Amino acid sequence: GNSVTQMEGPVTLSEEAFLTINCTYTATGYPSLFWYVQYPGEGLQLLLKATKADDKGSNKGFEATYRKETTSFHLEKGSVQVSDSAVYFCALSDRTSGTYKYIFGTGTRLKVLA
Amino acid sequence: NAGVTQTPKFQVLKTGQSMTLQCAQDMNHEYMSWYRQDPGMGLRLIHYSVGAGITDQGEVPNGYNVSRSTTEDFPLRLLSAAPSQTSVYFCASRQQERSNEQFFGPGTRLTVL
Repeated sequence: GNSVTQMEGPVTLSEEAFLTINCTYTATGYPSLFWYVQYPGEGLQLLLKATKADDKGSNKGFEATYRKETTSFHLEKGSVQVSDSAVYFCALSDRTSGTYKYIFGTGTRLKVLA
Repeated sequence: NAGVTQTPKFQVLKTGQSMTLQCAQDMNHEYMSWYRQDPGMGLRLIHYSVGAGITDQGEVPNGYNVSRSTTEDFPLRLLSAAPSQTSVYFCASRQQERSNEQFFGPGTRLTVL
């Protein structure tokens, strides 16, 4: 079945450091891929998405490229800020047995220190 | 637009009590769903609805009931609360089942003693 695997956290970085959070997926079809962010005490918000191979999603300085050959969708940011501290979820949406299912990874907590 | 709203924000129950978590959206979305979020397990789908009058089970439906009498509202009922249902519950909606972006409510943190 479909699944999403993302790196375990927590990830602790200093401000202005480079961020990578790894995400790989397993899917039977041609999924759309997403990164959601959850700030403390809030629900999840869509950060970026990519709907086909080689697409790059980007938002707020974050980027991720849909790599079909490595079944990956790694999240990157060149210079993190304290305000980026949150939990990041990788997710996919795929059509399975006639219905569209969303599958989430377990989340990676990022802590950025000033 | 308020988006997706959930009440209450926090709730403490005793084992065996029942309660309803409320969820409403004002975006005229057809598809609504309930997730629970547990440490190390990400989000797991409890129940979902593709439109008013239509509901179906997700990954972890046991112990929960839902109904969808209107497009806007999708309440989640705990029939007889158990400590294993201690979790954070999120309601989400999207335009249609095949739509990409989901919109999440702020969550309800439930503790069952």
